[in-house]
Amino acid sequence: DTGVSQDPRHKITKRGQNVTFRCDPISEHNRLYWYRQTLGQGPEFLTYFQNEAQLEKSRLLSDRFSAERPKGSFSTLEIQRTEQGDSAMYLCASSRITNTEAFFGQGTRLTVV
Amino acid sequence: DQQVKQNSPSLSVQEGRISILNCDYTNSMFDYFLWYKKYPAEGPTFLISISSIKDKNEDGRFTVFLNKSAKHLSLHIVPSQPGDSAVYFCAARKDFGNEKLTFGTGTRLTIIP
Repeated sequence: DTGVSQDPRHKITKRGQNVTFRCDPISEHNRLYWYRQTLGQGPEFLTYFQNEAQLEKSRLLSDRFSAERPKGSFSTLEIQRTEQGDSAMYLCASSRITNTEAFFGQGTRLTVV
Repeated sequence: DQQVKQNSPSLSVQEGRISILNCDYTNSMFDYFLWYKKYPAEGPTFLISISSIKDKNEDGRFTVFLNKSAKHLSLHIVPSQPGDSAVYFCAARKDFGNEKLTFGTGTRLTIIP
């Protein structure tokens, strides 16, 4: 499978706990993006990396959120002290620098109870 | 501030007929537009795109039309097939180098056999 891979697919956590999601992009893709999608909405941009550099962060990404891409390959998105409003589908996507089309993974559905 | 709008939450079309999905945008800085298709429990899948220097792009059964003066684009699917039933998202990007995609809220297309 050469697509974007996300793990886990589903996560249920109690309010106040920390959670971490992983994304493995398509291997030759330099750019990696994180989006969040809530019910009835389109995906909303959170942040993106070019290789290991985090180049842009949305104001949606509060201080409780942190993303890393340490070696320019896989990325992690951590949410600290989760809140019920964090419940959403977290989508990862990747693309080549020379190509605008981003390819999405299947997402991680987070439920905060 | 919804910069990309899909005003029809749902659309039903008979199999074999043409499906037309519409999208409006407000930000004149957008210069590249994409359509994504999403099945339940999966991430969005890239369908077709168009640059602002063109007014039409065609790929098999899918054609995207762009009217820059009206800030409007549409996706035509002809002939429509049952497998086309999905949620369709319109997305837009600003000038090259700004890789963030802004998505609409989606239109659920149902193809009636």
